[in-house]
Parts: sequence; C-alpha cells; structure tokens
Amino acid sequence: DADVTQTPRNRITKTGKRIMLECSQTKGHDRMYWYRQDPGLGLRLIYYSFDVKDINKGEISDGYSVSRQAQAKFSLSLESAIPNQTALYFCATSASGTDSYEQYFGPGTRLTVT
Amino acid sequence: GQNIDQPTEMTATEGAIVQINCTYQTSGFNGLFWYQQHAGEAPTFLSYNVLDGLEEKGRFSSFLSRSKGYSYLLLKELQMKDSASYLCAVIRGYQKVTFGTGTKLQVIP
Repeated sequence: DADVTQTPRNRITKTGKRIMLECSQTKGHDRMYWYRQDPGLGLRLIYYSFDVKDINKGEISDGYSVSRQAQAKFSLSLESAIPNQTALYFCATSASGTDSYEQYFGPGTRLTVT
Repeated sequence: GQNIDQPTEMTATEGAIVQINCTYQTSGFNGLFWYQQHAGEAPTFLSYNVLDGLEEKGRFSSFLSRSKGYSYLLLKELQMKDSASYLCAVIRGYQKVTFGTGTKLQVIP
C-alpha cells in the first residue's frame, strides 16, 4: 500500500466551484506539504504544516486554503476555482528530527478547471 | 529571495555518462536535493547534499560546492529507464524547500 495517498486522482470542475483535494499518509510524519506543478514552472509550494495546529503559507497561497485535521491528513481547498488553477497537485510529507529533510510525495491529483 | 537554474533539456546515449548542473542563489542554505520524476508521476528522492563534496549512490552521484552555489547530478551507465525529469531543490532555513524547474533527460539508443 502507498504511504502517501491523494484523492481524487483526477478531477474536472467548473469555474467558481469549491473543491477539496485530500491527502493521507501512513508514514507517521509530522510535516506535510501541498505543491502545484505547471509545465515550465516546476513545483511550487502552496501551504505547509509542521504539526496539527501549525499552518504556513507557501509562495503561492492566494486562492487556496488548507486544513490539517489530524497528523495523517492534510486537505487543500480551492474556494472558488478558476482556470489558471488547472495543474498537477502533489502532497508530500517529511519527518522532523532527521538530518535528511527528504520529502515523500503522493501520486498527484490532476485538476482541470473549465 | 532565491534563484535556481538548471538546463531545460538534455539528450544522452544509452550506456554513456551525463552530468546535470544546478546553480542556485539563496540565503540560509541548508542543503540541496535531487529528485527524479517520470512523466505524470510523483518525484522520487535521489540524493541529499549538505556538505561540499561528492556523494555516490550506485550509478548516481551528486556533488555540491556551497561557495560556488553549484551542484551536479552524475548518471553513469545510462539506461533507457533513466529518461525522466531531474529536479534540483534547495532547502532554506527550517525545511523550506524550493524546486528548480527541472531538466528533462532523454536517453536514446
């Protein structure tokens, strides 16, 4: 079974709709991240959380919100989707108290906003 | 702020060696990652450098020079399955990771 899972894997939605992307992990990591990936722009950090009560904005947080419901779950919401939010979204996790800072990525959610 | 530069695309021959360069400008440098990403899939970890020098792991090696803001990923004995994008990422401060745009490597027979 995958350590980091994302649902849905693919989603098509219309402009103005609210949509939630979910991420769950069984790695026992306390740190979780949401990225989006666009061709030619690489991975860009949207939000990150170092613990259940900790939420931090990344470089492109406008138009997004997150919820860390439990250590294992981190959800990303688009309150009113717009076409330029069409992208591949990745959730990632990492462990605190280590020297490697390695991040483990989920399989991604391909979101299309029409 | 910070800037990470890597070539957009590279082509190399099966069985050969290829070096993918990454230069960066950042404050609060705390380490550098290399990730591999096949098309449509999640990035997977290849290496992490925090000190200057070469880290070798099988066919893949990664080098870091902090004074020059420079790293490279060396892939030896290239295989067709090595065709993928290679992402350089810099860790700044407290686990704040910034990714470069990636280098798309095509391995040809």
